[in-house]
Amino acid sequence: GENVEQHPSTLSVQEGDSAVIKCTYSDSASNYFPWYKQELGKRPQLIIDIRSNVGEKKDQRIAVTLNKTAKHFSLHITETQPEDSAVYFCAASKPHSSASKIIFGSGTRLSIRP
Amino acid sequence: SQTIHQWPATLVQPVGSPLSLECTVEGTSNPNLYWYRQAAGRGLQLLFYSVGIGQISSEVPQNLSASRPQDRQFILSSKKLLLSDSGFYLCAWKREFASELFFGSGTQLSVL
Repeated sequence: GENVEQHPSTLSVQEGDSAVIKCTYSDSASNYFPWYKQELGKRPQLIIDIRSNVGEKKDQRIAVTLNKTAKHFSLHITETQPEDSAVYFCAASKPHSSASKIIFGSGTRLSIRP
Repeated sequence: SQTIHQWPATLVQPVGSPLSLECTVEGTSNPNLYWYRQAAGRGLQLLFYSVGIGQISSEVPQNLSASRPQDRQFILSSKKLLLSDSGFYLCAWKREFASELFFGSGTQLSVL
């Protein structure tokens, strides 16, 4: 089955600097890779996603890149702000298959230093 | 619009006691339903998922079970809780063949 590895587990960056979180997956048939943000005491929420037919996707200060050959994808946050402090999860899935499970990485706790 | 309800928000149970956590989704039909556990400082571990009534797939052998007695109801149960069952339990749903997963507000379970 699918296995998703995520690192680092914790990340501290200066406000205004960039943050990068990396994930690898094992199932080459996975074709959908979302990123979720979980603020303290709240539920995880989707912030950006990428499908296997795309190499990069941007949404304002966040971007995700995907390397299908190497089976890894990354989240990039530029010009970090205090509100970016949270736990971030990557995931891999095959949403259009009958086996509709979504496997998450172990999470990265991002702290933004003022 | 669609909403997901999960209860209770917090639960403190003694070791060996039973467990029942309930999750319901409103405003959609035939959703895919999921139970995840988030241990302290750890990731989201998939426990069970269901693509239809009575259809349960288990990801990790453990002390828990799940049931889907109705289309939009997903229940997580245990006959006898262990200390290791403590954690934050999240129910989630998505539309069949859709991509985005929507999480409930979670249940913080403490087994003492």
